Amino acid sequence: GESVGLHLPTLSVQEGDNSIINCAYSNSASDYFIWYKQESGKGPQFIIDIRSNMDKRQGQRVTVLLNKTVKHLSLQIAATQPGDSAVYFCAENNPGGGADGLTFGKGTHLIIQP
Amino acid sequence: GAGVSQSPSNKVTEKGKDVELRCDPISGHTALYWYRQSLGQGLEFLIYFQGNSAPDKSGLPSDRFSAERTGGSVSTLTIQRTQQEDSAVYLCASSLEAGRRVEQYFGPGTRLTVT
Repeated sequence: GESVGLHLPTLSVQEGDNSIINCAYSNSASDYFIWYKQESGKGPQFIIDIRSNMDKRQGQRVTVLLNKTVKHLSLQIAATQPGDSAVYFCAENNPGGGADGLTFGKGTHLIIQP
Repeated sequence: GAGVSQSPSNKVTEKGKDVELRCDPISGHTALYWYRQSLGQGLEFLIYFQGNSAPDKSGLPSDRFSAERTGGSVSTLTIQRTQQEDSAVYLCASSLEAGRRVEQYFGPGTRLTVT
């Protein structure tokens, strides 16, 4: 099965509100995580990453939180805008495996309502 | 180029036919990755290249799938004797170098429909 996954397939928030997208991972050896945003008809776009030696990392309007105790990752988007509507994927980079590819969760569709 | 490009953007083929999907990575990027995204699903890793060699082919779903990369640049993903379950969006990504903590830049994908 997949080693990463998301709790909710769809999240609807009002424009201007904050949103939180959650992700669970199962491999305790995972040491690097990435959030990607995918708009309709486009490839995934890097948002922010975090290494396992950190609990929190902030970007522009986005914050990623990592809780290694419960193997949980979240993406917080502040003051959501219509352009934030997209599918958001968390991903881990296979730790210790031969592949350098990413293992993605199924994604959460974020809908920003006016 | 400015980003990763893929062609064709859409491909409709009949079951049993072979298809070739092309990826042009960002100039100077030595690592190249192929993923598959089925409808409503996350991305499934297929294969990656470091230069022209493919250290890991474990993600390829069957022996009908193959990929090559020449000149350390363009890559083609070939699917032989296509089946309906091959229908998906095939995404290519590249990164400056291979590594587990290197940002990958994705192309727009090729939407493959097998009828």
